[in-house]
Amino acid sequence: GQQLNQSPQSMFIQEGEDVSMNCTSSSIFNTWLWYKQDPGEGPVLLIALYKAGELTSNGRLTAQFGITRKDSFLNISASIPSDVGIYFCAGQVNYGQNFVFGPGTRLSVLP
Amino acid sequence: EAQVTQNPRYLITVTGKKLTVTCSQNMNHEYMSWYRQDPGLGLRQIYYSMNVEVTDKGDVPEGYKVSRKEKRNFPLILESPSPNQTSLYFCASSLTTGLRGYTFGSGTRLTVV
Repeated sequence: GQQLNQSPQSMFIQEGEDVSMNCTSSSIFNTWLWYKQDPGEGPVLLIALYKAGELTSNGRLTAQFGITRKDSFLNISASIPSDVGIYFCAGQVNYGQNFVFGPGTRLSVLP
Repeated sequence: EAQVTQNPRYLITVTGKKLTVTCSQNMNHEYMSWYRQDPGLGLRQIYYSMNVEVTDKGDVPEGYKVSRKEKRNFPLILESPSPNQTSLYFCASSLTTGLRGYTFGSGTRLTVV
């Protein structure tokens, strides 16, 4: 089946730093989603992307739908302690099909 | 408030004792799904349902059953739990197209001893 790879697997950053993470696939996707999971909670949708090249922001978060449609990127600017958690990407080949989830990037923010 | 509700949040049980984890959504979503989350493995899909009385296996269905008799409910049944089913379980729902992604429940942490 389709698989997504996320990089890095985990990262430790200093509060105030910017963060970049990415998600890659061997398959072409029509939709990319980015989720955040706080400790002890379910994933919550951050950003949805629907077109190749699309750049969408949600506060300090910015995500991009890669031109090749095989990758997506998430940036967090000026990180704060509440950014701690696991960030998942998810891709959908066609509307109505199951989303495939990546393994996640675990973010730790040091004060 | 639009939400997916799972119960219980925490469960410790013994090998072989049948259990059911309930999931209910109040958004009139057609699609519902169960995932398990294990360290280093991300979210793996167990079963999903496109609508009432329609269910399909996901990537890791062995040892699990589901039913979808009503649109809002999608219980996960473990007929004979084993220790390798110790995990964090999430229920999710969405519109059929999935255009706005899935809404997840808060999770059920299951320990089988």
